Amino acid sequence: QITLKESGPTLVKPTQTLTLTCTFSGFSLSTSGVGVGWIRQPPGKALEWLALIYWDDDKRYSPSLKSRLTITKDTSKNQVVLTMTNMDPVDTATYYCAHFEFSTSCSFDYWGQGTLVTVSS
Amino acid sequence: EIVLTQSPGTLSLSPGERATLSCRASQSVSSFYLAWYQQKPGQAPRLLIYGASSRATGIPDRFSGSGSGTDFTLTISRLEPEDFAVYYCQQYGSSPPITFGQGTRLEIK
Repeated sequence: QITLKESGPTLVKPTQTLTLTCTFSGFSLSTSGVGVGWIRQPPGKALEWLALIYWDDDKRYSPSLKSRLTITKDTSKNQVVLTMTNMDPVDTATYYCAHFEFSTSCSFDYWGQGTLVTVSS
Repeated sequence: EIVLTQSPGTLSLSPGERATLSCRASQSVSSFYLAWYQQKPGQAPRLLIYGASSRATGIPDRFSGSGSGTDFTLTISRLEPEDFAVYYCQQYGSSPPITFGQGTRLEIK
């Protein structure tokens, strides 16, 4: 059974760096064809993909946010970490991590519950 | 960058009716790389369809996907009360690898 859970601060100040951790179980991020992605959703708005890390440590970022994002993985801990620098109130959103199946579906087939991050002074 | 445009923005239907949701891509998308998600208030999205037409595990057969190239469709044959939600399409490509549509809200008429 695959599960994912996001953790991190619920409130950050403008200009600060956000660090979110996705802790997962039921799969290994060293297995070929597997990835973990981050997606966010501002209140009442659409989903926005942020970053994706593959089993082979290849990394992809949203072009509009690339300069502010870093995604890393710790296979031994079953964790993926996303950092986003220079936070702004427009970054207020629910942040999701999700399991990405590259070899069969190229889609996010398992999602965490999400964590709401508010950016405010 | 491939842009996905979903229509309509809001669809108002009654239970038992048929729903047809559209997702149009700005460039051709391989059918293998097109997925649909359902999201209910306060919940994470749920994968419904991958590969344009394959139902994910546990998804009822009233949900079906079709299309190719730049035009894709999600059809719900007979709406159940629990189907009223927001639906997103998503594509996997080269650069950037992932984009989502802006969503279609399916509401009870």
